[in-house]
Amino acid sequence: KAGVTQTPRYLIKTRGQQVTLSCSPISGHRSVSWYQQTPGQGLQFLFEYFSETQRNKGNFPGRFSGRQFSNSRSEMNVSTLELGDSALYLCASSLSAAVSHKIYGYTFGSGTRLTVV
Amino acid sequence: DAKTTQPPSMDCAEGRAANLPCNHSTISGNEYVYWYRQIHSQGPQYIIHGLKNNETNEMASLIITEDRKSSTLILPHATLRDTAVYYCIVRVDSIQGGSEKLVFGKGTKLTVNP
Repeated sequence: KAGVTQTPRYLIKTRGQQVTLSCSPISGHRSVSWYQQTPGQGLQFLFEYFSETQRNKGNFPGRFSGRQFSNSRSEMNVSTLELGDSALYLCASSLSAAVSHKIYGYTFGSGTRLTVV
Repeated sequence: DAKTTQPPSMDCAEGRAANLPCNHSTISGNEYVYWYRQIHSQGPQYIIHGLKNNETNEMASLIITEDRKSSTLILPHATLRDTAVYYCIVRVDSIQGGSEKLVFGKGTKLTVNP
């Protein structure tokens, strides 16, 4: 069974540019969440999507946005990149309790390492 | 903010049991305790979760105190590959399908020594 796939694995961008990261969840998973990990702040929740709808959003500026497609694949976009946006961006998928009425853990991808120069 | 407190680091000898403690004194009745681990430069890996009963799976055991204010993750026979940062997370799960997110603290850096 394929895991959560994130592309690209590594990315280098210049300040002021924008970037789009992609996440393909495990087949059948409809909940997709995004997290940012930095050495200083650790793992922080960005947003969560379920059935193409954003259900929850973390405390990040509006430059961070996302979307989910009908096949549950998700993208996140960061506009006007800043040096502080350099981080490991992780995507996680889950068989949401809304679907199964059971409690599941999240499966994380390996992440996209974004470096802003 | 994370609702859990963990020691920043622990050491364990290879082959011995690793017992990782977690305090979650403000946990609510409908909140689960989850454990994840993150091996360097990889995404976090789900280990186990529980509500109030002790749980065991192929990876680990989870012992939750009767008052639910603390728990212990047990890796029964630690190997070098278990060296990782272990996160204890308290999470509300909504069967009705409410939004789900994980609030990570700083975790415990477990080093398994040969």
